[in-house]
Amino acid sequence: EAQVTQNPRYLITVTGKKLTVTCSQNMNHEYMSWYRQDPGLGLRQIYYSMNVEVTDKGDVPEGYKVSRKEKRNFPLILESPSPNQTSLYFCASSLSRGTNNEQFFGPGTRLTVL
Amino acid sequence: GDSVTQMEGPVTLSEEAFLTINCTYTATGYPSLFWYVQYPGEGLQLLLKATKADDKGSNKGFEATYRKETTSFHLEKGSVQVSDSAVYFCALSWNFNKFYFGSGTKLNVKP
Repeated sequence: EAQVTQNPRYLITVTGKKLTVTCSQNMNHEYMSWYRQDPGLGLRQIYYSMNVEVTDKGDVPEGYKVSRKEKRNFPLILESPSPNQTSLYFCASSLSRGTNNEQFFGPGTRLTVL
Repeated sequence: GDSVTQMEGPVTLSEEAFLTINCTYTATGYPSLFWYVQYPGEGLQLLLKATKADDKGSNKGFEATYRKETTSFHLEKGSVQVSDSAVYFCALSWNFNKFYFGSGTKLNVKP
């Protein structure tokens, strides 16, 4: 089944404890992206990647890191999480940049930073 | 900077009512425009899109027309169903790289 998977789905952690949220897609998609969803703010793009080893900042990259060493994986790294990073995070992928390419979203990761 | 503004919800309608969810955007130029839908506990799914002015996107009875004169992309459906209850997001994108989403509008459809 074609899908985008994220792990973990739920995470409660404490301020300053490094964490990684994994994202993997099995559709051989070139483009991947991370978003955070907050009440009243909709989705805001954190980082995106157009292909292996090619990443760029979205609208709210501060406090996050990403890497794209393999086409299928795009982990989101929080080196020193803070309470303002408590949010619902979504990973998405699409075949490539282009007018007919739909973004497929993962199921989301709910992160709480105490 | 670029942004998307949606009408605040929730919007509550009876089954078979007409739906309009307003969306306006701010951008220099002509981005691609999208509507995404999010069902409870799930990620977003693309509902429809339009890539140039005057284009009409349509899917599952929903429609939206790209209006550059009014910088709008309002979502409409002639007869909503209970199964349409979800959160709807308007979004814009440049070159399908950077995406900007609105705050979402929750739709509740009552039987």
